[in-house]
Amino acid sequence: RKEVEQDPGPFNVPEGATVAFNCTYSNSASQSFFWYRQDCRKEPKLLMSVYSSGNEDGRFTAQLNRASQYISLLIRDSKLSDSATYLCAVTLYSSASKIIFGSGTRLSIRP
Amino acid sequence: SAVISQKPSRDICQRGTSLTIQCQVDSQVTMMFWYRQQPGQSLTLIATANQGSEATYESGFVIDKFPISRPNLTFSTLTVSNMSPEDSSIYLCSVGGEGISYEQYFGPGTRLTVT
Repeated sequence: RKEVEQDPGPFNVPEGATVAFNCTYSNSASQSFFWYRQDCRKEPKLLMSVYSSGNEDGRFTAQLNRASQYISLLIRDSKLSDSATYLCAVTLYSSASKIIFGSGTRLSIRP
Repeated sequence: SAVISQKPSRDICQRGTSLTIQCQVDSQVTMMFWYRQQPGQSLTLIATANQGSEATYESGFVIDKFPISRPNLTFSTLTVSNMSPEDSSIYLCSVGGEGISYEQYFGPGTRLTVT
């Protein structure tokens, strides 16, 4: 089983729609959680860290469910510019600096 | 967040040769990381480079193949040695991995093609 798993997609949704991704992780000792966005031929950019209480940044909401070992990302009122690959990532207590990435979920927003 | 640059941005190399990739940060950082992203794949950590100590390599990566230097707190290099077509990939450096949240920030990457 992969340490971090994501549905690769692609998700193809109309502009203005709400879309949600889930990401599961296998190690219950995981400590920190992140969502990164990666545009084609670009480096990953940190979208948001995911906190235990959940957090929101504009149209983006991230949730953490430790009991079921998954994190989620919700995008409301999607824009064409949201089209990208979304990578979830986790760190472990044993090596907090080491980030393990999921394989990414491709999102395409259509007009 | 820190501004990170990498050189070269891309290169095409012949098999059997070596390429050294540079990573420069605009502020002093303790930890620097080197990742590989093969075509259509996610990121895989190659090694962690701390100034003043040997780099720590992940399983599947060895110093002879990927020697790393970290001469100061703003600079690191990764060399891809004796290249083969399987080394064709994007190589990225990142900084961070400490503090409260352990967030990491990435350089723009070096796109390497080995022929």
